[in-house]
Amino acid sequence: ETGVTQSPTHLIKTRGQQVTLRCSSQSGHNTVSWYQQALGQGPQFIFQYYREEENGRGNFPPRFSGLQFPNYSSELNVNALELDDSALYLCASSSDYGYTFGSGTRLTVV
Amino acid sequence: QQQVKQSPQSLIVQKGGISIINCAYENTAFDYFPWYQQFPGKGPALLIAIRPDVSEKKEGRFTISFNKSAKQFSLHIMDSQPGDSATYFCAASYNNDMRFGAGTRLTVKP
Repeated sequence: ETGVTQSPTHLIKTRGQQVTLRCSSQSGHNTVSWYQQALGQGPQFIFQYYREEENGRGNFPPRFSGLQFPNYSSELNVNALELDDSALYLCASSSDYGYTFGSGTRLTVV
Repeated sequence: QQQVKQSPQSLIVQKGGISIINCAYENTAFDYFPWYQQFPGKGPALLIAIRPDVSEKKEGRFTISFNKSAKQFSLHIMDSQPGDSATYFCAASYNNDMRFGAGTRLTVKP
């Protein structure tokens, strides 16, 4: 049973809209990472937060942004949605080198 | 953006056979190499992991072989079972920054 919870599980948005995805991490895990997984592909690193500060970023445009809160929850915000943003978005919390993934949010942009 | 190259893309094995998945990396700073198993609709789950100071790690039917000089590592699944049918991802990590391969879809035929 994973200790990382993501919501919502599925979401349909229209191109140009904005979306917020949420993640509740395991208690004590100070690091949270977000990944985008397109159908049939491996997870692509979006960014990572450590103690509420961005701690690394992959090759994603600024319209992908995030927040981490003191209660180990975090958000991924995507502005000006594009059709190519359709994917499974995964949140992973970690301490040391152990990553625990949530089940993801399936975002469909139409 | 893929810093870890994984092959094959798909693999079909008979029940009881050996499944072998290979990965290669470029960044010598990587110091943690996990393998993840993902079932449809779920997030990746850690299967087994290795650090570069050992050449092999075995856990049950799963073995990682690691070749530091060649910058390659592989997953061997012995006595493959239909329940092992899933997508497998190799990954490489440094300082809590984890990058994934593109995945291998394994099908074990009964």
